[in-house]
Amino acid sequence: GAVVSQHPSRVICKSGTSVKIECRSLDFQATTMFWYRQFPKQSLMLMATSNEGSKATYEQGVEKDKFLINHASLTLSTLTVTSAHPEDSSFYICSALRFGANYEQYFGPGTRLTVT
Amino acid sequence: EDQVTQSPEALRLQEGESSSLNCSYTVSGLRGLFWYRQDPGKGPEFLFTLYSAGEEKEKERLKATLTKKESFLHITAPKPEDSATYLCAVRFNKFYFGSGTKLNVKP
Repeated sequence: GAVVSQHPSRVICKSGTSVKIECRSLDFQATTMFWYRQFPKQSLMLMATSNEGSKATYEQGVEKDKFLINHASLTLSTLTVTSAHPEDSSFYICSALRFGANYEQYFGPGTRLTVT
Repeated sequence: EDQVTQSPEALRLQEGESSSLNCSYTVSGLRGLFWYRQDPGKGPEFLFTLYSAGEEKEKERLKATLTKKESFLHITAPKPEDSATYLCAVRFNKFYFGSGTKLNVKP
């Protein structure tokens, strides 16, 4: 159990376009999901906390208007990178807190975004 | 100031050579310490959660222990398939991740 999926796994887009990444908890409900960004050979950088039915909480330095997060249901959160630029190219990973589990995060497989 | 520090940064072992990875933290009011394994190009895979000093958990060749200020991930007789980056995270008011230990087990 505790499976989290992400779609797409890889995406290439042109500068100025927007990209949506989906994160789904497949076999459990998640009131809270997290979005991370990971640079090569570095650890995870938390971008925002997504709570079902309410606005996301963004970490300092993360532009909320650029990285739009929607947590519309207990199994789905989306991250939209708006007006993407090459510097947004990165590995984006979501995680979900399993409802009832003590803060155990389960991670998705990640999405590799390349902006050309 | 780093909240979570992992050491060593990288570790090379021969197959069967046991060792330990360290995760030390400075936050107070710990609400859980978590170990993950991450393979290249993939999301972290959950391994263990520890909540209180003295707690230990085991899974195959891995054993995680927790004291008041650090945790160890012991790897007994590792195999090449144990090669990965091992991440630890602590939860205080939010999650803080260490930078990971990249383990390479040579056959």
